Amino acid sequence: LAKTTQPISMDSYEGQEVNITCSHNNIATNDYITWYQQFPSQGPRFIIQGYKTKVTNEVASLFIPADRKSSTLSLPRVSLSDTAVYYCLVGYLISSGSARQLTFGSGTQLTVLP
Amino acid sequence: DAGVIQSPRHEVTEMGQEVTLRCKPISGHDYLFWYRQTMMRGLELLIYFNNNVPIDDSGMPEDRFSAKMPNASFSTLKIQPSEPRDSAVYFCASSLGRATEAFFGQGTRLTVV
Repeated sequence: LAKTTQPISMDSYEGQEVNITCSHNNIATNDYITWYQQFPSQGPRFIIQGYKTKVTNEVASLFIPADRKSSTLSLPRVSLSDTAVYYCLVGYLISSGSARQLTFGSGTQLTVLP
Repeated sequence: DAGVIQSPRHEVTEMGQEVTLRCKPISGHDYLFWYRQTMMRGLELLIYFNNNVPIDDSGMPEDRFSAKMPNASFSTLKIQPSEPRDSAVYFCASSLGRATEAFFGQGTRLTVV
């Protein structure tokens, strides 16, 4: 299983860009990298997903180096409402036979300060 | 679509009792996942289904846990008998396709006393 390692916590101020890095040294060829956000008492919410290089959507960017052993979630201009736990998830589903589990990391508690 | 719907939202039961958690995935999604979240172990994948068929249940902790998906719009996770260490938040999620985003429900907070 592709184990992931993230910082336990990070603090930032409103308006700043935040970069959260996830290490996944034994990522497999078929694995995708997905990031989720979770607020207290809610289920995780998808933020972004990528396989290699850079992916950008309306809320974040995901940077993946060529060796794919790490990835960085970039949140531009964070606000107080971005305070949440951010999870890096590495895995791939197989529709038959043995499968690689989708492994959530321990998560990073991001606290945005005013 | 109302999203993934789980019931009940909260469940308190006594040790030894049977507990059934329910999930209605998003219509049209072909993957369904059951996760468990605790402070100690974080988010753990218990089992997932593809087109109603269980694909990988290696995350199910013990034989006391069982999951079914009788049709595309309903799944259950049953614990029998329940134990205090089963106390956790159980999430159901669904997705369309293999490597696409999963949509999570609000979770069921289970407390076994």
